[in-house]
Amino acid sequence: GAGVSQSPSNKVTEKGKDVELRCDPISGHTALYWYRQSLGQGLEFLIYFQGNSAPDKSGLPSDRFSAERTGGSVSTLTIQRTQQEDSAVYLCASSQHPPETQYFGPGTRLLVL
Amino acid sequence: SQQGEEDPQALSIQEGENATMNCSYKTSINNLQWYRQNSGRGLVHLILIRSNEREKHSGRLRVTLDTSKKSSSLLITASRAADTASYFCATDKGGAQKLVFGQGTRLTINP
Repeated sequence: GAGVSQSPSNKVTEKGKDVELRCDPISGHTALYWYRQSLGQGLEFLIYFQGNSAPDKSGLPSDRFSAERTGGSVSTLTIQRTQQEDSAVYLCASSQHPPETQYFGPGTRLLVL
Repeated sequence: SQQGEEDPQALSIQEGENATMNCSYKTSINNLQWYRQNSGRGLVHLILIRSNEREKHSGRLRVTLDTSKKSSSLLITASRAADTASYFCATDKGGAQKLVFGQGTRLTINP
């Protein structure tokens, strides 16, 4: 089937605004991950969902960041009161058998002005 | 600090040469993976090597794992311009459900 999809591809927002980023994982994958990647840097883990278990939120950098996964499928990452340092590429990945192979979406490039 | 650290940070070679990238990690692992990223967007899985394996091949890729030294290497043979990308290692940090990625090696293949 289709791979992981993310929307929007690019998002430009003003400082202080809220943004929502969407991820559609591969059908049947029970695990879903969000990462953040700043320019020229590695991936920073944000949050992990596995089935009906409580999500692992240990990577969220502040309480302005939150995520939910509805019906065990689509996930939304919300950043409230965006700051310029939130500018990055936000990557979503899904996996059938964590922590094995993760399949990544193309990412959302967020720019906070 | 990152579980995985790649070395070198950047590598530039001529087309046809072999490229070797290294990854070191700190804690015990169940498996180690290598991913490739083009143009700062989504990552593509290349190869997974388990802790009880020492070497694995996939096409022009060869991965080794030395658990005693907590290190892995990725060798790309007969490099092509299309191999230009960033390469990341990722570890499961002792069986945890999430992967921890290193900072990556930026590989440039010059025609």
